[in-house]
Amino acid sequence: NAGVTQTPKFRVLKTGQSMTLLCAQDMNHEYMYWYRQDPGMGLRLIHYSVGEGTTAKGEVPDGYNVSRLKKQNFLLGLESAAPSQTSVYFCASSLRLYEQYFGPGTRLTVT
Amino acid sequence: KQEVTQIPAALSVPEGENLVLNCSFTDSAIYNLQWFRQDPGKGLTSLLLIQSSQREQTSGRLNASLDKSSGRSTLYIAASQPGDSATYLCAVTRLSGTYKYIFGTGTRLKVLA
Repeated sequence: NAGVTQTPKFRVLKTGQSMTLLCAQDMNHEYMYWYRQDPGMGLRLIHYSVGEGTTAKGEVPDGYNVSRLKKQNFLLGLESAAPSQTSVYFCASSLRLYEQYFGPGTRLTVT
Repeated sequence: KQEVTQIPAALSVPEGENLVLNCSFTDSAIYNLQWFRQDPGKGLTSLLLIQSSQREQTSGRLNASLDKSSGRSTLYIAASQPGDSATYLCAVTRLSGTYKYIFGTGTRLKVLA
């Protein structure tokens, strides 16, 4: 039982490049979330999903897109990376609104 | 709009001391409250979850209490150890209308040997 895993762990992008972050969970959780964590700003919700095929915007969705084609996977895409998207990205999952489990994070730098 | 506050932002204590971390929230209509620990450069680890119908939860040296009417939760750590050094965050979910967790900005704890 791996819990929540994230790929990749680190990435450096140039401005304008695109990438996809992958989150996978093996706990059969319905809800999945993408957060970013920046110094002094705490955790901010980017997008979330309450089930396969459904997604919704969080606090800071601009510049990101998501997809949840399979229940166990939640993808976060950056179509045209900007330096303001330099951050640590965390994925989380939960069985409805119960205990939330986090992945180890992806450290992204955009130059 | 729900706001979650954690004061103090940082705390240093000598090893062995019992300590209390605070979490305040503005909207008492919460569904549950969760305490997390985050070590530097790592993800969040769930410590305790208190559902709205509960008053407290315990796990080992940790005890979390919830007082919805006053909008407060406390995390009590008994006999602190250097290994407890980390940032502690609380998060609340609303009773209805949203599927989101609202996080506090955390308390950075340092336990001195």
